Amino acid sequence: EPEVTQTPSHQVTQMGQEVILRCVPISNHLYFYWYRQILGQKVEFLVSFYNNEISEKSEIFDDQFSVERPDGSNFTLKIRSTKLEDSAMYFCASRENTGELFFGEGSRLTVL
Amino acid sequence: SQKIEQNSEALNIQEGKTATLTCNYTNYSPAYLQWYRQDPGRGPVFLLLIRENEKEKRKERLKVTFDTTLKQSLFHITASQPADSATYLCALDDGDSNYQLIWGAGTKLIIKP
Repeated sequence: EPEVTQTPSHQVTQMGQEVILRCVPISNHLYFYWYRQILGQKVEFLVSFYNNEISEKSEIFDDQFSVERPDGSNFTLKIRSTKLEDSAMYFCASRENTGELFFGEGSRLTVL
Repeated sequence: SQKIEQNSEALNIQEGKTATLTCNYTNYSPAYLQWYRQDPGRGPVFLLLIRENEKEKRKERLKVTFDTTLKQSLFHITASQPADSATYLCALDDGDSNYQLIWGAGTKLIIKP
């Protein structure tokens, strides 16, 4: 069964460092998303990406964040200068035209 | 402001009984509502989608209802099993966006053997 894959599964970084989280969405999907979930809290929308551009972003997704789809398969989230409060699980998701979202297993980011 | 509420307290159910989870929303007119299951440290997994013109949807032991007048969805698991223990999330399209889902905080369900 097709699945969304994410790497790394866990990354530990120092505050102020740049981090890139990678995702391979399901191949025939058109819409791509990044979500964040701080431990014990709700899933929070960060950004959606469609037709090779950002379609929507939340207020969490400030200038420190960027997304790219550098080739036909990868979808990356970059955090330029990490802060302690960026520590969270980051989930990538994708979908076709229907409402159902397929999530990856997440990348746990720990900022020290 | 737009708001989604799910039972904030964990729900403890005896194995074999029906578990019922609630999702209430205000200030939305969603075209559809979805339920997801999330296990600790894992990504949410899609379970069911119900559209605004549908009253009820079933899938195996799962049943979802959608009352747009009450602005409420109920999620039922019949003949519950310990393996059903997880956090269950409801999510709605916000009615304006083609891209974004609005998420509830989730209800933790614990099925006791």
